Amino acid sequence: ETGVTQSPTHLIKTRGQQVTLRCSSQSGHNTVSWYQQALGQGPQFIFQYYREEENGRGNFPPRFSGLQFPNYSSELNVNALELDDSALYLCASSWSVPTDTQYFGPGTRLTVL
Amino acid sequence: TQLLEQSPQFLSIQEGENLTVYCNSSSVFSSLQWYRQEPGEGPVLLVTVVTGGEVKKLKRLTFQFGDARKDSSLHITAAQPGDTGLYLCAGTKSNRLAFGKGNQVVVIP
Repeated sequence: ETGVTQSPTHLIKTRGQQVTLRCSSQSGHNTVSWYQQALGQGPQFIFQYYREEENGRGNFPPRFSGLQFPNYSSELNVNALELDDSALYLCASSWSVPTDTQYFGPGTRLTVL
Repeated sequence: TQLLEQSPQFLSIQEGENLTVYCNSSSVFSSLQWYRQEPGEGPVLLVTVVTGGEVKKLKRLTFQFGDARKDSSLHITAAQPGDTGLYLCAGTKSNRLAFGKGNQVVVIP
């Protein structure tokens, strides 16, 4: 059984650019959630995808968007990058909803200059 | 604003000592999870507590869920350097996790 994987591990972008982050869920999991973790903070919920549909969204602007594919992998897209978008982006997968247990990937460290 | 408040934010102790960290909220959660996170890595799930008053043990770690399901504590007995890390609590509400800022624990050899 493979765990949650994310790519890339690190990324540097400049203000105004767009970025796509990728996540492969743990085998057997059909739900993916994305979180943003700024330095010194706990992870903040961005949104969740269940069977390719968005299933809840946190307090993030529309320039944060996502997709889930038929194999349950997922993408997080961020347009018009701002300096405050610099953070560790975490993907977590779980088996179905409602669920209490989510398993996290190693994260993608995004730096916006 | 964080739904969950964790205290103390930072704790440094000597190897062999005991420690307790806390996670408090004014909200009721259907469950609460504890994670440990190493620098630059994702959180790793330690335990999920569901029932008010529940106590779970994981080797030298003891987790307790408050009777009202609003708070939790983590007690580490005879801490070892390998216990060093950021301990995050997260409550489940509407299928999403609400995290605290974490308890940074440093165990000095």
